[in-house]
Amino acid sequence: DTGVSQDPRHKITKRGQNVTFRCDPISEHNRLYWYRQTLGQGPEFLTYFQNEAQLEKSRLLSDRFSAERPKGSFSTLEIQRTEQGDSAMYLCASSSDGGPVKAFFGQGTRLTVV
Amino acid sequence: GNSVTQMEGPVTLSEEAFLTINCTYTATGYPSLFWYVQYPGEGLQLLLKATKADDKGSNKGFEATYRKETTSFHLEKGSVQVSDSAVYFCALSPLSGANSKLTFGKGITLSVRP
Repeated sequence: DTGVSQDPRHKITKRGQNVTFRCDPISEHNRLYWYRQTLGQGPEFLTYFQNEAQLEKSRLLSDRFSAERPKGSFSTLEIQRTEQGDSAMYLCASSSDGGPVKAFFGQGTRLTVV
Repeated sequence: GNSVTQMEGPVTLSEEAFLTINCTYTATGYPSLFWYVQYPGEGLQLLLKATKADDKGSNKGFEATYRKETTSFHLEKGSVQVSDSAVYFCALSPLSGANSKLTFGKGITLSVRP
């Protein structure tokens, strides 16, 4: 068990470009979450998967954002037509069924839009 | 909706000083409460948790007690070390429902001087 893995760790992109991030959860965890953290703030929920089903999306997730989790394993988060306001740390977390929740976080992908 | 309020920071203490970081929450029902820590250059890590009223979570000398009557979950440590310098986040998660997403406070930066 190597924990939650995210790739890349850092991404610099020009405004208007598309970017895609990957998250590999802990293997036996069926729940997967994406959060966004901006400077000086706590992480904010973006979206949630249970296995391959995307069960909830935050209002923060505009139409330019899309997330997938094919086969209930790894997940990708794509941002189309990036804007400077998208610059943030994107965090992935996973957890197992049953409560109470104890989520394990990856180290995050830091996105800088220039 | 659910929300978490943390005291304003940053906090600077001398080694061996007593630490208290305040956290209050607003939630429906009976959430689980958490403290997460983010050390410099690392991902979020669970520090401790409590799942019901009057529960005390503890880890690495840190403690927090779930106070339903005051909707609080203050973090304390009797004697801080330089290695405790980090950002601390209070968070909550609903016990019920398929999505146990975390709602975080803004976080507070703790710096401990030798």
